[in-house]
Amino acid sequence: RKEVEQDPGPFNVPEGATVAFNCTYSNSASQSFFWYRQDCRKEPKLLMSVYSSGNEDGRFTAQLNRASQYISLLIRDSKLSDSATYLCVVNRDNFNKFYFGSGTKLNVKP
Amino acid sequence: GAVVSQHPSWVICKSGTSVKIECRSLDFQATTMFWYRQFPKQSLMLMATSNEGSKATYEQGVEKDKFLINHASLTLSTLTVTSAHPEDSSFYICSACDRSVTGELFFGEGSRLTVL
Repeated sequence: RKEVEQDPGPFNVPEGATVAFNCTYSNSASQSFFWYRQDCRKEPKLLMSVYSSGNEDGRFTAQLNRASQYISLLIRDSKLSDSATYLCVVNRDNFNKFYFGSGTKLNVKP
Repeated sequence: GAVVSQHPSWVICKSGTSVKIECRSLDFQATTMFWYRQFPKQSLMLMATSNEGSKATYEQGVEKDKFLINHASLTLSTLTVTSAHPEDSSFYICSACDRSVTGELFFGEGSRLTVL
């Protein structure tokens, strides 16, 4: 079983839609969780860290469910510029190990 | 925020030559850096973990003699692709963890290698 699993998509949504991604992780000892955004042929950039209490940054909301071992990312009012691949990243072993999901491709269409 | 710089951003070389890629943490010390490669439309694949002052830890299936990693200082790690062949053409990305900032991982800009 993979350490981190994501639905690869693609998710094709119209502008203004709300879209949600889930990511599951297999090791309960995982400590920190992140969502990264990667544009085509570019390096990943941090979108949000995910905290136990959940956190929101504008149109983006991240949630962590330790009991079920998944994290989610909700994007409201999608923009064309949100089109990208969203990577779920999980850390454990005191920041010595990072595990990546395969990424979820989002296409926001006019 | 923390920044990781990678150089060169792209390189074209002839088959059989060696190519060195540098990864620097610009405003924090990184005892650990990570090297990945990424093929088109695929996720990042961890190649190795670079440890300052000690040997790198390679992932299964990655040839350590092919991909030489040196982490000589707290701000610099290098990846050398030795005797490069066309199948080594890929996007190579480094990252470093700033443990002072809740362990966030910062990525270099990536290096696109094309071996002719």
